[in-house]
Amino acid sequence: DAGVIQSPRHEVTEMGQEVTLRCKPISGHDYLFWYRQTMMRGLELLIYFNNNVPIDDSGMPEDRFSAKMPNASFSTLKIQPSEPRDSAVYFCASSLTAGDQPQHFGDGTRLSIL
Amino acid sequence: GQQLNQSPQSMFIQEGEDVSMNCTSSSIFNTWLWYKQDPGEGPVLLIALYKAGELTSNGRLTAQFGITRKDSFLNISASIPSDVGIYFCAGPHPGTYKYIFGTGTRLKVLA
Repeated sequence: DAGVIQSPRHEVTEMGQEVTLRCKPISGHDYLFWYRQTMMRGLELLIYFNNNVPIDDSGMPEDRFSAKMPNASFSTLKIQPSEPRDSAVYFCASSLTAGDQPQHFGDGTRLSIL
Repeated sequence: GQQLNQSPQSMFIQEGEDVSMNCTSSSIFNTWLWYKQDPGEGPVLLIALYKAGELTSNGRLTAQFGITRKDSFLNISASIPSDVGIYFCAGPHPGTYKYIFGTGTRLKVLA
């Protein structure tokens, strides 16, 4: 079975540019999560969706961050404008219908903002 | 806010040794998960625990859900070089599906 697929794997861009990260969850999973991982703060939940609807975005750091899930098989996390402090590894994860089911992670997007 | 504290932060062990690490919470959890993360990859689920006192094994790995529901333990027996990585505990914030991840235990195995 295909796991969670994220693209791109690496992104390097200059500050001020728009960045779009993409995620395809595991088919049949109703929950989708976006995380950010840094050395200083570890793994932080940014936002999660249930059946394509955003449920909790309290972890989104600023208005520069936005996330969408237009359908059950695709989600985006957008940063506009990007700043150097946004540099991190961004993970997408998905889980089955029951919310306490374990999450399955993609391999992440390593983002570097110069 | 709620935190999950893991100890030790890092460990260096000889191949063949057993490893123990733990995770503690300031409040009660109903689910404990243990993940391993290899460099350049996402965390991979190792063991899931759903009941206080539960003891579950996955090969050389054994995890326990603490009776107080505020802690969990992970043991690795007879470590091998591929056990190297960062081990995370995680649990859902009570009443939500928001998972909180621990600070991680970085394991290095010396051949």
